[in-house]
This record gives sequence, C-alpha cells and structure tokens, in this order.
Amino acid sequence: EAQVTQNPRYLITVTGKKLTVTCSQNMNHEYMSWYRQDPGLGLRQIYYSMNVEVTDKGDVPEGYKVSRKEKRNFPLILESPSPNQTSLYFCASSPYQAGQPQHFGDGTRLSIL
Amino acid sequence: DQQVKQNSPSLSVQEGRISILNCDYTNSMFDYFLWYKKYPAEGPTFLISISSIKDKNEDGRFTVFLNKSAKHLSLHIVPSQPGDSAVYFCAASESSGGGNKLTFGTGTQLKVEL
Repeated sequence: EAQVTQNPRYLITVTGKKLTVTCSQNMNHEYMSWYRQDPGLGLRQIYYSMNVEVTDKGDVPEGYKVSRKEKRNFPLILESPSPNQTSLYFCASSPYQAGQPQHFGDGTRLSIL
Repeated sequence: DQQVKQNSPSLSVQEGRISILNCDYTNSMFDYFLWYKKYPAEGPTFLISISSIKDKNEDGRFTVFLNKSAKHLSLHIVPSQPGDSAVYFCAASESSGGGNKLTFGTGTQLKVEL
C-alpha cells in the first residue's frame, strides 16, 4: 500500500529538548515536504527536498532542520523547541513535477511546554 | 501575504444539494490547482486538480471550475453527502519555480446535514 508514515503521532515535550519527527514514504517519490497547520493559517511549508541531499527552505523554516540522506526518509528536526512550534505537522511526498498530487502522512501533533 | 485565499471558513449544506467551495489566488504564475479534503486526525487527501489550460475538470460528483481572468476557482460537489463533511483546502503550484511546491489556502469546513 502506498503510504507516507510519520512518527510519533503525538508528542508532548518541554522547551529546549531536541526532538526528531520521522517521515518515510514507499512510493519512490523525489519530492518531499514538511508542513505545519495552525488555526486560521492553513498549511504552510517548512522545508522541502527535491531529491537525495537536496533540501531548501519553505515559507516558515525558522527553528527547524531537515536532512535527506535516503530517498525514502525525510526527518524534521527541532534542535531547541519553543512553545511557538506547538502545531500539527504533516509530511508529504510526490513526484518531482509541478501539479502532481502530494501524498500526506496522518500528521504529528506536537505540544511544546 | 496570503497568495491563496479561502474566504469562507465554514459552509453548511443539506444532503442532496450542491456544495460550492470558493478559492481566490493572487499569483498569476500559478498553473496547477488542487483540492484536498481533510478529516480530523488524518492527513489531507487529494480530491481533484485542474491545470491552467483548462477551465473545468470533472470527476464523478466533484467538478472544479477555473476562471483565470478573475483568479478564482471553485469546487462543486453534487449531490452532497454526509461523508463529504470535512475541511477542504485549495492549493496552487507553479511549474516555473521547479519542484512541486504547493501553496495552500486556509481551508473551508463543510458540513453536510441530513
């Protein structure tokens, strides 16, 4: 089954404690992306990757890092989480070309206290 | 600056009637437009798309209309069913930038009532 898998689904943690949210896809997609969803703001892109070892900032990259060492994995790293990063996070993947539907994971709800 | 706007946060429709969800955009470089549906505790799922060379695309009960001169698109659901109750996001993409970046609207909560 084609899918994007995120872990964990829920996490409550404290300010400053480094955390990683994993994302894995089994569709051999080149393009992967992280979004955060906040009330009244829709989904905003944090970082994206066009292929292995190629990553770039999206619209709201501050406080986040990513890596793409393998095609299937695209982890999101919060080195020093702060309360304003409390949000619902989605990972997505698609073929490289514009206009291709992106497949989304089921989301990770992060609460930073 | 919100390049994709969904001005109606919510919409309530009776079962069997038509649901019309609207979306406006400001970036004339957008050339692909997509609609996603999202249920609680799940990720968005792709519904239907349209490229800028078309003005209409239909898939079963779902039809998307694009008016490029007005920079406006709409999603029609006919007939509406209770299972259509969800948040609907409009998204846009431009091929000239490389890759597949999607810019999303803020979403419209559709409620289909019995």
